[in-house]
Amino acid sequence: KAGVTQTPRYLIKTRGQQVTLSCSPISGHRSVSWYQQTPGQGLQFLFEYFSETQRNKGNFPGRFSGRQFSNSRSEMNVSTLELGDSALYLCASSLGGTYSYEQYFGPGTRLTVT
Amino acid sequence: GNSVTQMEGPVTLSEEAFLTINCTYTATGYPSLFWYVQYPGEGLQLLLKATKADDKGSNKGFEATYRKETTSFHLEKGSVQVSDSAVYFCARTTGGGNKLTFGTGTQLKVEL
Repeated sequence: KAGVTQTPRYLIKTRGQQVTLSCSPISGHRSVSWYQQTPGQGLQFLFEYFSETQRNKGNFPGRFSGRQFSNSRSEMNVSTLELGDSALYLCASSLGGTYSYEQYFGPGTRLTVT
Repeated sequence: GNSVTQMEGPVTLSEEAFLTINCTYTATGYPSLFWYVQYPGEGLQLLLKATKADDKGSNKGFEATYRKETTSFHLEKGSVQVSDSAVYFCARTTGGGNKLTFGTGTQLKVEL
């Protein structure tokens, strides 16, 4: 089975621009979660989508948004980029449901904001 | 709130040494607990998990036991290898769904 894939792997953007990152979960998985990883804040939860609905949300400003498509692929969008948004963005997929807690992570998208 | 505390690194060991990385969690609800490993330039890999008190997770020689009385989930391995050098993260579920709260990570360096 193919693992979680994320595109692009690397991205350089300028302050004020917006960016869209993509995540394709493992086949059959219906839940996709997004995390931001930075040296200062560590791993922080952004949001989770399950069956095209946002099920959980972390403490990030509204500039961070996401969506999930009917094939379970997910995208996250960051508008009006700030220097502090530079990070590794990781997505994780799981079967979903109430008790499916095994999450499998993709390789991440490294975003650099200049 | 829900949090996870890990021992700070880096932890430097000689090959074949015994490894312990401490992890404690806040006793809120009935979380599932995990250890993830991250190799340089890669995402996180699930190493092991435990879903209830006294469960022992194990994989690739690593073990951790869910201790409710001490709110701990320490990672152990009897004999580490150079290839185990990586950053290890302890995590717990938080609330419903699949939200994970992670510790700060512990870097392990294994030398010959």
